[in-house]
Amino acid sequence: ETGVTQTPRHLVMGMTNKKSLKCEQHLGHNAMYWYKQSAKKPLELMFVYSLEERVENNSVPSRFSPECPNSSHLFLHLHTLQPEDSALYLCASSQDQTREQYFGPGTRLTVT
Amino acid sequence: DQQVKQNSPSLSVQEGRISILNCDYTNSMFDYFLWYKKYPAEGPTFLISISSIKDKNEDGRFTVFLNKSAKHLSLHIVPSQPGDSAVYFCAASAPNSGNTPLVFGKGTRLSVIA
Repeated sequence: ETGVTQTPRHLVMGMTNKKSLKCEQHLGHNAMYWYKQSAKKPLELMFVYSLEERVENNSVPSRFSPECPNSSHLFLHLHTLQPEDSALYLCASSQDQTREQYFGPGTRLTVT
Repeated sequence: DQQVKQNSPSLSVQEGRISILNCDYTNSMFDYFLWYKKYPAEGPTFLISISSIKDKNEDGRFTVFLNKSAKHLSLHIVPSQPGDSAVYFCAASAPNSGNTPLVFGKGTRLSVIA
């Protein structure tokens, strides 16, 4: 039990669909992150939220839209994705002044 | 340009022997390093970390060594167990806010053979 949960665990969507990924952390952390893991590539940071405000956006296409309504929840809204967006999407959280990030189990996304 | 490199994509080790996973970095501003372990269909799990003010940190069977002059760190697992079979990611961060993003390597797949 990592303290960070993600739903759904698997998602298949067409290129015209709109879907959302959800992340919830039960660790009392105040920062949350979205990462993308593609095959044979390092983990790619997509978004960072600190105290519910976005502090970093690593040039992610606008078809990915994050939302952080509070320090415990993070969403990634998806629309008009491309097949190359198929990947494992990981959520993580951390506490200020520490460097360790704790990851959820990920959502395996397939875009058809 | 990859700032954190794990040049060995895979490693096989006999049960009971030592596993040594290596990581090199290029950014001299990195001052904190972490190792994560990842099983299939799960997120990475934090394993052990080391600050640049140290050259060694030990936690049970896991020891991380840091060689700042060579910009190299390694994770030693001894004795290796079949349950250690997983992908190991090296990560690094530079001093900034407490939410400094981590830069990850591509990972090394460790197989511990019984």
